[in-house]
Amino acid sequence: QKEVEQNSGPLSVPEGAIASLNCTYSDRVSQSFFWYRQYSGKSPELIMSIYSNGDKEDGRFTAQLNKASQYVSLLIRDSQPSDSATYLCAVKYGAAGNKLTFGGGTRVLVKP
Amino acid sequence: DTEVTQTPKHLVMGMTNKKSLKCEQHMGHRAMYWYKQKAKKPPELMFVYSYEKLSINESVPSRFSPECPNSSLLNLHLHALQPEDSALYLCASSQMVGGVAGELFFGEGSRLTVL
Repeated sequence: QKEVEQNSGPLSVPEGAIASLNCTYSDRVSQSFFWYRQYSGKSPELIMSIYSNGDKEDGRFTAQLNKASQYVSLLIRDSQPSDSATYLCAVKYGAAGNKLTFGGGTRVLVKP
Repeated sequence: DTEVTQTPKHLVMGMTNKKSLKCEQHMGHRAMYWYKQKAKKPPELMFVYSYEKLSINESVPSRFSPECPNSSLLNLHLHALQPEDSALYLCASSQMVGGVAGELFFGEGSRLTVL
């Protein structure tokens, strides 16, 4: 069973601070990694994808991938109350890479 | 605005009813997906269609029947459901490049309640 693990939180962060989210996965063959944001009652929204070791930055978001240690992280800089949501880590498995498996999600609360 | 459109947004049905969920995308994607999400849980993969052919069925009960009439449309036919099937049903689509799926984009979901 392929597994993707996240701390469920809630991760409470003051407005303007950095939120740091972590995710570990079980399959060394995995090549594609994603972070989705999901607001309560809404569908997941893709915010970052990362495919190679190192950092990838997009605006206030930075994804970090370490394949040797089998973890992927997400940093949210200058956190805003609108960042309060559940963040889902997702890993693609399968020969065709079309089997996306989600972690349980980390709930983030940004307090003004 | 999402480019994956799902209808209906809400559906209430009895255990003897037959209903369908519909999904449409116009991004030229050749892979389409059905996921099921229960409250406070992550989405769980149900079915994957690649190039209009069913490529993955995650051992879903036969009371759920997927259909992909063409590359833009995906249906989920529902029959004799149980109350525990109540959930948010998410459709997604992705590009296929060299036979490998790209990023998944989700529709807004259809919230199903089975009485």
